[in-house]
Amino acid sequence: QVQLQESGPGLVKPSQTLSLTCTVSGGSISSGSYYWSWIRQPAGKGLEWIGRIYTSGSTNYNPSLKSRVTISVDTSKNQFSLKLSSVTAADTAVYYCARALNYGGNPLDYWGQGTLVTVSS
Amino acid sequence: QSALTQPASVSGSPGQSITISCTGTSSDVGSYNLVSWYQQHPGKAPKLMIYEGSKRPSGVSNRFSGSKSGNTASLTISGLQAEDEADYYCCSYAGSSTPHVVFGGGTKLTVL
Repeated sequence: QVQLQESGPGLVKPSQTLSLTCTVSGGSISSGSYYWSWIRQPAGKGLEWIGRIYTSGSTNYNPSLKSRVTISVDTSKNQFSLKLSSVTAADTAVYYCARALNYGGNPLDYWGQGTLVTVSS
Repeated sequence: QSALTQPASVSGSPGQSITISCTGTSSDVGSYNLVSWYQQHPGKAPKLMIYEGSKRPSGVSNRFSGSKSGNTASLTISGLQAEDEADYYCCSYAGSSTPHVVFGGGTKLTVL
């Protein structure tokens, strides 16, 4: 059973860079063909797709966030990471990591529990 | 990039059927039968209920079904049960030159 767990600072100052890590257990991040993804959800609002990294290392990002987002993978630690630069209060949200299949529209079949990140001075 | 359009809320009584619509454009829902649907209970992570328009993952009740017509995808829940009360989100693959994913705004289902 694959499990994902987000970790990182819960509080980030405006204009700084938000950094989160997702640790994958129950399977190797480099085996199979999956997209390792980040999604966020502001309090009381809907889901927003941030981006993903494929097993090969190629990335796709939300066009509205692309200039500020970097997703990378560390296969030695079975982790993938999110960096979001120049954050503002609008980036305050619960951030989820998830695994997406590489077929059928890339559905997100396994999710982490989510971690709240607040942007505030 | 605009979110897919869903009704803010729907409701139904136990045993009834409800349908949640998800309207996109010819660049996402209309071009691909690749819509997925997620159920989210308060304080929990979303759960995949439907993918590729109408397919159910293992373990998801056959009371959940998906379909598509033109630029609109739909999720139907039959035989409503109390535990179906949750938020539901549609999601579609979008863009071939710049592949990305877009979510709907979410629909709150209330079981009366």
